[in-house]
Amino acid sequence: EVVLTQSPATLSLSPGERATLSCRASQSVSSYLAWYQQKPGQAPRLLIYDASNRATGVPARFSGSGSGTDFTLTISSLEPEDFAVYYCQQRYNWPPITFGQGTRLEIK
Amino acid sequence: EVQLLESGGGLVQPGGSLRLSCAASGFTFRSYAMGWVRQAPGKGPEWVSSISGVNGDTYYSGSVRGRFTISRDNSKNTLYLQMNSLRAEDTAVYFCAKGGPGDYVFNWGQGTLVTVSS
Repeated sequence: EVVLTQSPATLSLSPGERATLSCRASQSVSSYLAWYQQKPGQAPRLLIYDASNRATGVPARFSGSGSGTDFTLTISSLEPEDFAVYYCQQRYNWPPITFGQGTRLEIK
Repeated sequence: EVQLLESGGGLVQPGGSLRLSCAASGFTFRSYAMGWVRQAPGKGPEWVSSISGVNGDTYYSGSVRGRFTISRDNSKNTLYLQMNSLRAEDTAVYFCAKGGPGDYVFNWGQGTLVTVSS
């Protein structure tokens, strides 16, 4: 089973700042990695798939990069609605697909 | 628009059973694999089980294999999860997910809470 480790656990930033979130896989997952955003009381929302492709309707300030074992989600300029928990997920080695433990992005 | 509506969650004692349902609309249900993903309080999501669209092949995580059974009724556009021998560690919000065991989850239901406690 592929273990995904996200860092940092919590990221405190202000609106307008740049956010950089990391996801490291315990073995190569090629580019088969996705990022989700989750707000309290809601289901996760797919933002990025195949490491760098934005899902339909996702603003251009969200971008993903990486391959193999190291991946990054970047939010270029934080909007108030971006403060949430972010999860990565791999689908290269399944079953099972696996998720990271999350990074909480909070307002500083 | 894809819509997934779960039901059937609730409070159950350890060792008990519960059956979750997911009513799907907005797409050709029989053509798609479907699954369940759960999320324990304060934790990341965890894939539970999936079922293929046509031939009904099923897949389970190691933590639920032998206790949970996934099924579907394509005539009713409904997905099910029969959960037996429930344990405290099964406490979570259970989400219905459109897609197979090796997919990203583009569409999620709103979730239904299962609490296993005496």
